[in-house]
Amino acid sequence: GAVVSQHPSRVICKSGTSVKIECRSLDFQATTMFWYRQFPKQSLMLMATSNEGSKATYEQGVEKDKFLINHASLTLSTLTVTSAHPEDSSFYICSATGQGSTYEQYFGPGTRLTVT
Amino acid sequence: GNSVTQMEGPVTLSEEAFLTINCTYTATGYPSLFWYVQYPGEGLQLLLKATKADDKGSNKGFEATYRKETTSFHLEKGSVQVSDSAVYFCALSGAYSGNTPLVFGKGTRLSVIA
Repeated sequence: GAVVSQHPSRVICKSGTSVKIECRSLDFQATTMFWYRQFPKQSLMLMATSNEGSKATYEQGVEKDKFLINHASLTLSTLTVTSAHPEDSSFYICSATGQGSTYEQYFGPGTRLTVT
Repeated sequence: GNSVTQMEGPVTLSEEAFLTINCTYTATGYPSLFWYVQYPGEGLQLLLKATKADDKGSNKGFEATYRKETTSFHLEKGSVQVSDSAVYFCALSGAYSGNTPLVFGKGTRLSVIA
């Protein structure tokens, strides 16, 4: 099946700094990418939907100025957590779907962010 | 809005035991239903899916039937193996396209012991 990678897999940063997480579709063109956040023992919560070449659509309650999403190409989307705080510590997961795809999204392995 | 409720874990079973993980949903219209599996240290993988009422999804010995009358999509396997130890997520998509985000249940951790 299609492969989606995320980098880095783990990152520790200090409070107040910014962190960029990359999501890449390795063998297909991803017209749409989704960013999810997963708290311990919780479900995946959708943060935003990103279509190539256009601004991301954020879910209610997600600060778009804090979680900057860029989908500049058909194989890459980035999530930048700006001015990170300890409450931003979480597991961030992206998924991607290709043009004309039905039903299936392909998930990256996730990025564990810890803000100290 | 759409939502998914699945049984709380963790679930611990002996090898070759029968597995059921319950999943019910609330949705308008006719959602597509999915089970995803997350092995330790890996991303979510699609396990099986069903796109309309009475469809049965199956893969790797797992199966689930889309029951519209009970709004359920319970996951079953007749004989689990240690390698099935993972977290299982029930999910739905409100539209007929992969370009729609998924709504997930909280996940159920399964541990199978030899």
